[in-house]
Amino acid sequence: QSVLTQPPSASGTPGQRVTISCSGSSSNIGSQTVNWYHHLPGAGPKVVIHSNNLRPSGVPDRFSGSKSGTSASLAISGLQSEDEGDYYCATWDDSLNGPVFGGGTRLTVL
Amino acid sequence: QVQLVQSGAEVKKPGASVKVSCQASGYSLTGYYLHWVRLAPGQGLEWMGWINPHSGDTKYARKFQGRVIMTRDTSSSTGYMELRRLRFDDTAVYFCAREDKGMAGTYWFDPWGQGTLVTVSS
Repeated sequence: QSVLTQPPSASGTPGQRVTISCSGSSSNIGSQTVNWYHHLPGAGPKVVIHSNNLRPSGVPDRFSGSKSGTSASLAISGLQSEDEGDYYCATWDDSLNGPVFGGGTRLTVL
Repeated sequence: QVQLVQSGAEVKKPGASVKVSCQASGYSLTGYYLHWVRLAPGQGLEWMGWINPHSGDTKYARKFQGRVIMTRDTSSSTGYMELRRLRFDDTAVYFCAREDKGMAGTYWFDPWGQGTLVTVSS
């Protein structure tokens, strides 16, 4: 059972906008910044958003992140087939004194 | 470019130990904390712990304390994660990841190694 809660799946057609939610508590999202990772089988995850809403260089501006209270969201606009894969939210948990992750959301581009 | 390259897949029996390596290139291993994270079938990512390659200090997640040992060899820019007394539910892909930091004390993992599949089977 993951500390952060994400929907198991999401989908959209090319060009659409999708959002993925991540719910936590006051000991994690409520007091820390959130990062988002994209994972494809056979490779290591890649950061797409860090520090709630910052995009690393090389990540398209179609990706955006936000945080409010104890929840965070990842939005992907202009959906493309290459966006398929698993997305994980992550943050620090003060009670557990370590990083925690969501259970992952599998994004399918129809 | 900055990258982490991990050792190959392993098959182990229950009760045995496994040691996974993670070689850094494109940056100084001792300049950044190195974390280990695993992904079990049907589960989410799970943090196992970190090592400060400069000092050798470590911090392990409570769940793995007593079973995991993280070490490093600065001469070869390589980090290691050894997991002992393997159980069937330790079957997972194990990743190393470099901790990157922002100006305001925020941090994230970048890059990650490609992952090492460890299968525990009798």
